[in-house]
Amino acid sequence: IAGITQAPTSQILAAGRRMTLRCTQDMRHNAMYWYRQDLGLGLRLIHYSNTAGTTGKGEVPDGYSVSRANTDDFPLTLASAVPSQTSVYFCASSSKPESADTQYFGPGTRLTVL
Amino acid sequence: LAKTTQPISMDSYEGQEVNITCSHNNIATNDYITWYQQFPSQGPRFIIQGYKTKVTNEVASLFIPADRKSSTLSLPRVSLSDTAVYYCLVGDPPGGYNKLIFGAGTRLAVHP
Repeated sequence: IAGITQAPTSQILAAGRRMTLRCTQDMRHNAMYWYRQDLGLGLRLIHYSNTAGTTGKGEVPDGYSVSRANTDDFPLTLASAVPSQTSVYFCASSSKPESADTQYFGPGTRLTVL
Repeated sequence: LAKTTQPISMDSYEGQEVNITCSHNNIATNDYITWYQQFPSQGPRFIIQGYKTKVTNEVASLFIPADRKSSTLSLPRVSLSDTAVYYCLVGDPPGGYNKLIFGAGTRLAVHP
């Protein structure tokens, strides 16, 4: 069982370029999330999806967009990357979109915007 | 939003018991308290969850007093591999989505 996979593992990107971070889960979880983690800090929620076809904004959504066309995939797009988006990005999923439900995290994508 | 406060860092030695206390004064009636563990270059991993009193699993124990305004994660006989960042989280008020608030966490260093 793979759980959650993320791609790419790392990426160096020029400012102004468009980038899509991929996230796929094979647990048939309803809810999925994108977080960013800056050096030495905790995780901050960017966007979430409670179920396929729906998305919502988290704590720091500006500059990012998401889509949830099916249960398994939840891509995160940076339309025009800026250096402040340099971070480690984690995708997560949970069976139900409730605060008590355990979230399972992917291995992360390390993004550097120059 | 239910925010949490926990120590920034702790040091311990192999074989000792480690207790990490987290305060969450604004916890809502329906909120659960959840602890995650994060190793370097990895995503967080669920450790334990509770609502009140005491919960124990194969990894840790969680102690929650009656007022639920704090909780203590207890790691028995830590080893070097327990060196990680530990996050205490409480859920948003009822009706919200699963928006767990990750603070800076507690960085635990276990020494030989």
